[in-house]
Amino acid sequence: DAGVIQSPRHEVTEMGQEVTLRCKPISGHDYLFWYRQTMMRGLELLIYFNNNVPIDDSGMPEDRFSAKMPNASFSTLKIQPSEPRDSAVYFCASSASSGGSYEQYFGPGTRLTVT
Amino acid sequence: SQQGEEDPQALSIQEGENATMNCSYKTSINNLQWYRQNSGRGLVHLILIRSNEREKHSGRLRVTLDTSKKSSSLLITASRAADTASYFCATGSSGSARQLTFGSGTQLTVLP
Repeated sequence: DAGVIQSPRHEVTEMGQEVTLRCKPISGHDYLFWYRQTMMRGLELLIYFNNNVPIDDSGMPEDRFSAKMPNASFSTLKIQPSEPRDSAVYFCASSASSGGSYEQYFGPGTRLTVT
Repeated sequence: SQQGEEDPQALSIQEGENATMNCSYKTSINNLQWYRQNSGRGLVHLILIRSNEREKHSGRLRVTLDTSKKSSSLLITASRAADTASYFCATGSSGSARQLTFGSGTQLTVLP
């Protein structure tokens, strides 16, 4: 299994530009989570999906952030327009409801720098 | 919000020694998990303990949970240089077991 795949691994963009982060969960996993990690705020849950449906987006910081999951194997997190304070590492994680386990499998992350 | 808070924030030990990290949380939980993060990498699940369990083992890892004190500890025995990483506890609440809240982490350095 390839694990959770995220792209790009690094993104450098200028303030005001649109940024799209991509995630492919582990095949068969029906939960997908987006997190943001910064030194100041630690690891924060932004939004999560179950069977492609957003369940809780209360962690999404502002309307500039949006996330979609058009199918079971793909999700995007979009920031438009981006700001320097959005600079962080963004992680995608997936989880399977079968088997009753709650463990999450994380991707390698996308390091976003907004200048 | 950061429900889980790890203690200490940083820990430095010699190879072969045991490392103990603690986690405290505030609300009622369904499960508590520990994850490891190597520098520049994603988090890796280590072990999960459910609210009705008090102790769990996995290899060199031992986790305890005290729901009355709302605390957990992670013990790594016979540490190795490769154990150097940040360790996070994460709690799944009673109302939403799968929605994890992560603590601030403990940076463990194992000196060869």
